[in-house]
Amino acid sequence: NAGVTQTPKFQVLKTGQSMTLQCAQDMNHNSMYWYRQDPGMGLRLIYYSASEGTTDKGEVPNGYNVSRLNKREFSLRLESAAPSQTSVYFCASDAETEAFFGQGTRLTVV
Amino acid sequence: DQQVKQNSPSLSVQEGRISILNCDYTNSMFDYFLWYKKYPAEGPTFLISISSIKDKNEDGRFTVFLNKSAKHLSLHIVPSQPGDSAVYFCAASGLGGGADGLTFGKGTHLIIQP
Repeated sequence: NAGVTQTPKFQVLKTGQSMTLQCAQDMNHNSMYWYRQDPGMGLRLIYYSASEGTTDKGEVPNGYNVSRLNKREFSLRLESAAPSQTSVYFCASDAETEAFFGQGTRLTVV
Repeated sequence: DQQVKQNSPSLSVQEGRISILNCDYTNSMFDYFLWYKKYPAEGPTFLISISSIKDKNEDGRFTVFLNKSAKHLSLHIVPSQPGDSAVYFCAASGLGGGADGLTFGKGTHLIIQP
């Protein structure tokens, strides 16, 4: 049972480089989310998608873009990475009353 | 401005004793509350939840209490076991779950001592 799968698990980028974090869920959930976790900050919502074809900004959307490719997949793109985007990124999908999280992507921007 | 607050960054409890983790919230629109457990290098995993129409929910060793008038909830773990050592996040949402995501506290690192 895969649940929520994120790739890659680790990534190091240079400032200004771009990359896309991939997320897929196999639980047929409508809602999907991207969070970032920073030391002492808890998890903060970057973007969410309530259903296929819709996306909305969360608490900290600056510097990111998202694509809800289909019901299963929700990707997060950094167009020009900055050191402030060094963080652990978590994708999640929602079953209305419980969110299921992926294993996380640890991103370092140097 | 934090809407969900966990004021204890860490908590140390002896094995077999009760662990009590606290959480306060400020947004009156929150009507559903959850606790997540997180081990290092893993994603958060759901532990237990409570709707605002209840004041207690129990699942095995875990009980969540909600005091709406005080905007306070707590997670009780009894008896505490070594495997309970983890970071615990309190989270809240509006409209019975809400498709617009959860608001998380900063977490409490629970350490169970043998």
